[in-house]
Amino acid sequence: QLQLQESGPGLVKPSETLSLTCTVSGGSISSTSYYWAWIRQSPGKGLEWIGNIYYGGSTYYNPSLRSRFTMFVDTSKNQFSLKLSSVTATDTAVYYCARLQYTRRVIGGLDIWGQGTMITVSS
Amino acid sequence: DIQMTQSPSSLSASVGDRVTITCRAGQGISTSLNWYQQRPGKAPNLLIYAASTLQSGVPSRFSGGGSGTLFTLTITSLQPEDFATYYCQQSYNTPLTFGGGTKVDIK
Repeated sequence: QLQLQESGPGLVKPSETLSLTCTVSGGSISSTSYYWAWIRQSPGKGLEWIGNIYYGGSTYYNPSLRSRFTMFVDTSKNQFSLKLSSVTATDTAVYYCARLQYTRRVIGGLDIWGQGTMITVSS
Repeated sequence: DIQMTQSPSSLSASVGDRVTITCRAGQGISTSLNWYQQRPGKAPNLLIYAASTLQSGVPSRFSGGGSGTLFTLTITSLQPEDFATYYCQQSYNTPLTFGGGTKVDIK
């Protein structure tokens, strides 16, 4: 059964760059039927889509997040990653990675999620 | 961006009750609408995709309907494990957007 696991630093200082990795196990990231997504949830708040990446490297980002995010995929390691530059306290959130259905060129739901990793931005 | 509005934002119900949550899209999204359940401290779990298709492994007491701009999630005979927060999400256009959530708690 496919599983996703986020890894990250937990605590980041303001203005630094946050790096997160999602490791896919129990299946291949190189599937034509899925995108791989990042979503975050600020404490006590709702869900915010950050973006998604295809195994071939094509990406879609949330334009409201002002291009501070960059996503990468490493098919040899079955991982995809997220970098967020110039973090501020407003980036404090639980960050989730997830698998996004993509069937016959139609995007579906986020059907498998990692457990999430809490990232706190503080000096 | 397509705005997703859920109502109510919270509701209280009893075990065995029938519960309906509404999600309204800011523009027509055909049936590109998904529903998630999130329990405290856990990741969301996909319940329904494409407005009315039950995700594998999800109990049949969950059902979804609607198209265009108005959608519903119905839980027939609420169970103790169903007390959680529910989110709708559109996949019609990027950026993907979520509703604000509906918290279902015990009356």
